[in-house]
This record gives sequence, structure tokens and C-alpha cells, in this order.
Amino acid sequence: QVQLQESGPGLVKPSETLSLTCTVSGGSISSYYWSWIRQPPGKGLEWIGYIYYSGSTNYNPSLKSRVTISVDTSKNQFSLKLSSVTAADTAVYYCARTQTMVRGVISFINWFDPWGQGTLVTVSS
Amino acid sequence: QSALTQPASVSGSPGQSITISCTGTSSDVGGYNYVSWYQQHPGKAPKLMIYDVSNRPSGVSNRFSGSKSGNTASLTISGLQAEDEADYYCSSYTSSSTGVFGTGTKVTVL
Repeated sequence: QVQLQESGPGLVKPSETLSLTCTVSGGSISSYYWSWIRQPPGKGLEWIGYIYYSGSTNYNPSLKSRVTISVDTSKNQFSLKLSSVTAADTAVYYCARTQTMVRGVISFINWFDPWGQGTLVTVSS
Repeated sequence: QSALTQPASVSGSPGQSITISCTGTSSDVGGYNYVSWYQQHPGKAPKLMIYDVSNRPSGVSNRFSGSKSGNTASLTISGLQAEDEADYYCSSYTSSSTGVFGTGTKVTVL
């Protein structure tokens, strides 16, 4: 079955850019949408954004100015970049396959499954 | 977009039934049948339990059921078991074409 694995630095300095990669195994990244979701320590889940294998994206408005999600179909990977990070960006970051229903030009997010195991990123000097 | 509202905690004895609510607006929960529920044990990734309001993925116990009325979705766990003790999150599609999660509910088995 499809498995996802996040990778990237566990420590990022304030004002720098957080960069993570999600590697998809056991299936193709094609024909699906893929999301990044984060969870600050002891807090709830926050959807960051998604990317379609073709490269189209959609982001959480609260993070849109700082977020870039990209895809590399040749490596079966997609990536997250979050710029100008602060301590508030400290969180466990998850990647997840995103089931969507496409009707016309609208992609309705249905659910997230499966998820990666998550990776803790701490923002600190 | 504001997080969907869930009770902070719900508890029950083994064998009992509990219900977790997830309240949003007509722009998310009330407007679409795209509500999903996730179970998260400490230190683990969330696991999909219910999708499209009331559907169970293969492998999820039929003790878990979902429903929706107006702007509020609900997850019911019947025949509560010790292994059900975890955090639960709802999620919905929004009219902004984004996803939003609930505030989370800690389920305690007494």
C-alpha cells in the first residue's frame, strides 16, 4: 500500500526558510492531490495546502504569503517551503494523500489518507 | 478560516457510547458532505476513521459512526473500549476551497 515519509532539517533558525520533502512509496504520485498538515506541540491540526501531481496548488490563506508546495514526479516526491519562520511555526509536519472530488474547476477536498509519520521541526536560534 | 469547534474532552465507561460534536458554519460543515474524522494516539499520525460524513474506510470498526445535522457533524463511538482512548479531529471542506480541522477532542475511557 502507499506509504509517505517526511524528511528534512529538524531545526531551523528564525527568519529562515523551512524545507521538507515527502517521499511517496508503494504507488505513483500521479493522479492524486497531496497535502501538508502541521500540528504545534500539544495543539490541533492545521491544513497548510495541497498540490496536484500536475503542479496546481491551493494554500491556507493564513499561510499563503509564506508557503510554496512543489512536486517532482520523477522522484515521486513533493515538497514544502515555508519562509520567514518564527517560533510559532514549530510543529510536527505531516504529509498526506488528499482525496478530492473534482467538479468543473473546483476540487473539493474529501479526506486525508494515508499520512506520513510526521517530522518535528523546531524554530530556534 | 476558523477551526471547527469540538468539545475539549469527552469521557465514558467501557461499553458505553459517546458522541463528539463538530460545529462549523454553512460555509464548511453545513454546506458540504465532505466531513471526515481522524483518531490520533499520542506520538502517532492521525488515522482516518470516517469520510464523507458517514462512511467507514475498510478496516475501521463498525463501532464508529458519523452523521451530520445542519452545521454540526457528529462522531459516535459505541461499545467504548480502552483502545479508543485518543484525540479525535473532524475536518471539512470550506467554501474557500480549503480544508479546515476541528479543535480536537480528547476521549478518556474511565
